[in-house]
Parts: sequence; structure tokens; C-alpha cells
Amino acid sequence: GQNIDQPTEMTATEGAIVQINCTYQTSGFNGLFWYQQHAGEAPTFLSYNVLDGLEEKGRFSSFLSRSKGYSYLLLKELQMKDSASYLCAVKILDSSYKLIFGSGTRLLVRP
Amino acid sequence: EAGVTQFPSHSVIEKGQTVTLRCDPISGHDNLYWYRRVMGKEIKFLLHFVKESKQDESGMPNNRFLAERTGGTYSTLKVQPAELEDSGVYFCASSQEALSSYNSPLHFGNGTRLTVT
Repeated sequence: GQNIDQPTEMTATEGAIVQINCTYQTSGFNGLFWYQQHAGEAPTFLSYNVLDGLEEKGRFSSFLSRSKGYSYLLLKELQMKDSASYLCAVKILDSSYKLIFGSGTRLLVRP
Repeated sequence: EAGVTQFPSHSVIEKGQTVTLRCDPISGHDNLYWYRRVMGKEIKFLLHFVKESKQDESGMPNNRFLAERTGGTYSTLKVQPAELEDSGVYFCASSQEALSSYNSPLHFGNGTRLTVT
């Protein structure tokens, strides 16, 4: 079966750094996405990794290790507006390409 | 450009009734996906259209669910008759390229929150 694990909730302080981990056991791995979702809104694309290593995009970075089935999203200089759910999604190929989502990590940023 | 829009944003219906959800993808996006999030669970794939054709409907729960995309523009998802377990948030997403293309993210709508009582 396909399985993606993320912590349910995390809390961090404004201005700090937080790392959100994602581990996966999937077949047909073809890349990993991170999405941000504010309550009641659409998930929005943050990053995509298909090769091992770190992808940096402003305050956000994402890392992938395919051999370990592991990714993390790193958020630097946290702002209050970063309070949201962060979704790890693996792109797989079975009958077609599709995204398999984790349950999401709810991040609360405190002043 | 306008994003993916979904209508209605909320729907409350009784068990046994019919509900139709609508999705307008980003203009020019041939790929349209339906996903669903049941309370407390992860977002799950339902089906994928390429233009007006169903590319993959392996995630559709049962034959009470019918998705259409006539003309390859907007899509509808009908649930008939609705059951209690159908409650959840139904997301639509679109993309210009197929997911097979490198780094082709899906653009999601805000979702329709369906409550079956």
C-alpha cells in the first residue's frame, strides 16, 4: 500500500526556524510536492523535489532523500502568516500519474 | 489569471438527496482532477480528466458518483443518492501539463464542503 506520515501538529515562535518531516512508503515514486493550505482555502504549491538534495526558494527549502523515503520542509524567519497546514504529497505512477497526500501538519506560529 | 473556482462553497443536504458540484479550471488547462478530504483523513484522488475524456477514475468510491466534463471546460461531480459517509471537502485541481511532466504542480480550488445529514 501507499503510506505517507507527517506530524499532526507543530508549534514554533515567530522569527524562528521549523522543520516539518515527511516519510513515505510508496510504489512508483515520481517526485514529492509540498503544499501550504490555510483554513478554508485552496492548497497552494510550495515546492517540488524529484532528485535527492535541497531545493531553496526564499524562506522555504525542501529536501529529499529517495533512498530513505524521507523529505522535509524547512521554514525560516517564521511569520505569523505561516500558520497553516503543510501537505506532503508524493507523485506516483500506477494506472496514471496521481498525487498521494499525507494528512498534513498543522503549524501554529506564536508571537 | 483567475484561479480554479468551485461552486458551491458549502452544501448541506439530507441522506438520499442529490448534489452536483461544479469546478471551473484555469483557462487553457486540459487536465482536471477531483480530490476529496473526508473528516480527519488525507486528501484522496477521485478522478482525472484530460479535456473531456476520463483518463483515470480509479479513485471514484462507487457508482453513486458521476463526473462529467462536457466540452472539456468546466466539470461537474454529481452524488446521487448521497450517503452520510460522503460528507467531506471536495477539491478540484487543474494543470496545463499532465503530472507526467516534470514539476507540473496542480492548482487547487477552495473546495466544496459537503455535509450529508
